[in-house]
Amino acid sequence: SAVISQKPSRDICQRGTSLTIQCQVDSQVTMMFWYRQQPGQSLTLIATANQGSEATYESGFVIDKFPISRPNLTFSTLTVSNMSPEDSSIYLCSVVGGLAGSSGELFFGEGSRLTVL
Amino acid sequence: QKEVEQNSGPLSVPEGAIASLNCTYSDRGSQSFFWYRQYSGKSPELIMSIYSNGDKEDGRFTAQLNKASQYVSLLIRDSQPSDSATYLCAVNRVAGKLIFGQGTELSVKP
Repeated sequence: SAVISQKPSRDICQRGTSLTIQCQVDSQVTMMFWYRQQPGQSLTLIATANQGSEATYESGFVIDKFPISRPNLTFSTLTVSNMSPEDSSIYLCSVVGGLAGSSGELFFGEGSRLTVL
Repeated sequence: QKEVEQNSGPLSVPEGAIASLNCTYSDRGSQSFFWYRQYSGKSPELIMSIYSNGDKEDGRFTAQLNKASQYVSLLIRDSQPSDSATYLCAVNRVAGKLIFGQGTELSVKP
């Protein structure tokens, strides 16, 4: 499986600020996704990061709040904008394994744990 | 009804016993089924995937799928204290877009 690196691994942020999380994969991947895990909760898909086009957002998530970039097949960023304490979560970058995502298996980075004060 | 349901636990088993984790899902169109293990403070780690009815074994782990009953389970044989973690069941219709259950916390007592 691909090696997925995220930065920062954790951060403490002030209300109203924005933070950008970076995700770097050690090989080209077709499909890249951003998930959120709120405290004590399971994982929820935020959006699909599409290379060369706008991200596709799931219900309840909007581009103004979570802008995403995907400039190439190995890198993506997720910005959490105008943060509030409710945004305190672990944000996870993920990719589908196999050639062109053929395995269907989803692998996660180490996550970025954000705490908003 | 939640799309993917798991007993939250905690499920406590003695070391060496079989741990049985269960999951039901509501979307009959689901194609792929996964079990992830998540240690506290860590990201989820894929331990099993299953795509067709029946059993799939990998070491001490066996995944079981019954699409007619919309049920998927994970058996862990010879449970070890290192197996203590939260186990997440996930299903999808489209690659990468997983629906996760709430997770079952497993505690293996020495």
